[in-house]
Amino acid sequence: GEDVEQSLFLSVREGDSSVINCTYTDSSSTYLYWYKQEPGAGLQLLTYIFSNMDMKQDQRLTVLLNKKDKHLSLRIADTQTGDSAIYFCAERTPGSGGYQKVTFGTGTKLQVIP
Amino acid sequence: DADVTQTPRNRITKTGKRIMLECSQTKGHDRMYWYRQDPGLGLQLIYYSFDVKDINKGEISDGYSVSRQAQAKFSLSLESAIPNQTALYFCATSDRGLAGGPLFFGPGTRLTVL
Repeated sequence: GEDVEQSLFLSVREGDSSVINCTYTDSSSTYLYWYKQEPGAGLQLLTYIFSNMDMKQDQRLTVLLNKKDKHLSLRIADTQTGDSAIYFCAERTPGSGGYQKVTFGTGTKLQVIP
Repeated sequence: DADVTQTPRNRITKTGKRIMLECSQTKGHDRMYWYRQDPGLGLQLIYYSFDVKDINKGEISDGYSVSRQAQAKFSLSLESAIPNQTALYFCATSDRGLAGGPLFFGPGTRLTVL
């Protein structure tokens, strides 16, 4: 079955780069996503990558996908205090009846120290 | 701005009460979802709907029911609330025509069942 794992916590200093890691088990994933959740808010889509790509860059965000190792990472350059949040990794996999299941990790809490 | 809204944002109720959570969207998306978030467990899918006449159970549908009143409205009901349904509930939408099919989330409803 599908399983997505993330470390629970990451602490970085303001201005440094943050790297949040995610591993998944289902090799049939089609897309992989990163979401950000700030306190009291819903999940905000940050970026996503098609499974046949190995890298995607969007301003301060860089997503790396190692499909062989089933490993996804999100790098945030020049991390700011406003980046403090919980980050969720998710994968989309084929399902039945036209539904493609989205499985979420448990989230990594990023703490940015001023 | 096209958006996903949820009402109420917070609700405290007692065991055995019937509760309805409502979701509306102005994104024009055809697909709508209800998720539940518990600390340390990521998000779990309760129900999903591909259009008004297509409603499907998710991973944890027991104790819940839904109604898709219109393309833009999808409500979640707890017929007889119990304490272990205390959680954060999110509505989400997606567009089958959008590559990658990312989910767009509402702000969530925090439900406490005493």
